[in-house]
Amino acid sequence: GAVVSQHPSWVICKSGTSVKIECRSLDFQATTMFWYRQFPKQSLMLMATSNEGSKATYEQGVEKDKFLINHASLTLSTLTVTSAHPEDSSFYICSARVHSTASGYGYTFGSGTRLTVV
Amino acid sequence: LAKTTQPISMDSYEGQEVNITCSHNNIATNDYITWYQQFPSQGPRFIIQGYKTKVTNEVASLFIPADRKSSTLSLPRVSLSDTAVYYCLVGFSGGYNKLIFGAGTRLAVHP
Repeated sequence: GAVVSQHPSWVICKSGTSVKIECRSLDFQATTMFWYRQFPKQSLMLMATSNEGSKATYEQGVEKDKFLINHASLTLSTLTVTSAHPEDSSFYICSARVHSTASGYGYTFGSGTRLTVV
Repeated sequence: LAKTTQPISMDSYEGQEVNITCSHNNIATNDYITWYQQFPSQGPRFIIQGYKTKVTNEVASLFIPADRKSSTLSLPRVSLSDTAVYYCLVGFSGGYNKLIFGAGTRLAVHP
């Protein structure tokens, strides 16, 4: 259980265009989802926290107007990279908080989206 | 959030036991310790979680000393497919914490 489906798995777009990445919780309701970015050989960097029905909370240094996050339902959060540039090329990963029998809460991750901006 | 420190990389051979230690000196009373595994171009995958003493599941064991300032992930008889990055995270108290990843440990298993 607690599966998060992320699409697309990879996308190539032209510089200046926008790209939308979807993250769906398949068998549970995710009131809170997280978006990460990961560059090659580096760790995951948290970009923002999205809560269903409210505005996302962005980490310091992340441009909220460039990385639009929408969490309109309990099963879907989307990340839109607007006016993408080559430096936005990265691996984007979503995560959802789920109930855990041990600690009360756990986290499950999507499979990631490889974005290449040309 | 408790900061974690892990070795940057480790090497092992097939069939050996691998122990990865994580330091978390500032762990809070209600925090749990969780380990994730990540393969290239994939999202992290949950391995094991614990609060104290020892936890074992079908893939790993987690050893946590009484002071909880460190923890050790033990992978028995590793195979080539265990080559991955392993992350140690702490801080699930109240369920409202966001996951902040450290650098992780890059494990390379050789034939």
